[in-house]
Amino acid sequence: ETGVTQTPRHLVMGMTNKKSLKCEQHLGHNAMYWYKQSAKKPLELMFVYNFKEQTENNSVPSRFSPECPNSSHLFLHLHTLQPEDSALYLCASSQDTQETQYFGPGTRLLVL
Amino acid sequence: RKEVEQDPGPFNVPEGATVAFNCTYSNSASQSFFWYRQDCRKEPKLLMSVYSSGNEDGRFTAQLNRASQYISLLIRDSKLSDSATYLCVEERGKLIFGQGTELSVKP
Repeated sequence: ETGVTQTPRHLVMGMTNKKSLKCEQHLGHNAMYWYKQSAKKPLELMFVYNFKEQTENNSVPSRFSPECPNSSHLFLHLHTLQPEDSALYLCASSQDTQETQYFGPGTRLLVL
Repeated sequence: RKEVEQDPGPFNVPEGATVAFNCTYSNSASQSFFWYRQDCRKEPKLLMSVYSSGNEDGRFTAQLNRASQYISLLIRDSKLSDSATYLCVEERGKLIFGQGTELSVKP
C-alpha cells in the first residue's frame, strides 16, 4: 500500500541536531495531519493542514515546525528536541477534515 | 476524565472465541465514531465506522449506545490474525483516539 508514504522510517538524532520528516500522499486528498504516538498513550494530534493552510496546532512546542508546500506533501522540521520527544510520528491524510483518515507507516524517532 | 476511554487490556482469548470491547466517550454531542486497528509497529487502519443503528461486517459488529455514551466492538470466531490493538475513535471536527485495547488471540 503506497497511498501515504513517510521518510525516513527510522531516525536517531541528538538533541542539537536538525532533521526533517517527510510525508507524501498519492490519494488526491486535501487534508493532512501529523500525529505523535508514544508508548502506552493515545495518538496525539499535532497539526492539521487543509488545502495547504494550517487549521490546527494542538499546543505543540516550537521545536516542531510543520510545512505544507502543497496538498500532497507535508514536512515536520525538528530542532533541539528532547529525549521525551522520542515516539512514532504518523502522518495521515483525508479527503476533507471530517472524512476517513489514511495513515502513513510512520517515522520511529529516537532522540538521544 | 479522558475524552475517549478504553480498557487497555491485554485481552488474551483462544481462537474461535467471541470477544467484546467497550469504549466510553465524554462529549454527548459527538456524532461520528470509528474503530481503527493497529498491528504491532504498524500504522492505524480503519476497521469500520460505527452507526447509530449498529453495523456488521463479517465477524465484526459495532454498536453505539448514546444514552450511556459508549461504543462497542464485537468480534466473533476470533482468528490468530485478529491479534492487534483496537483503537476507538470519536470524530468531533478532528479525530480523538482512545488509548487502544490490545487483543491477543492464541491457538
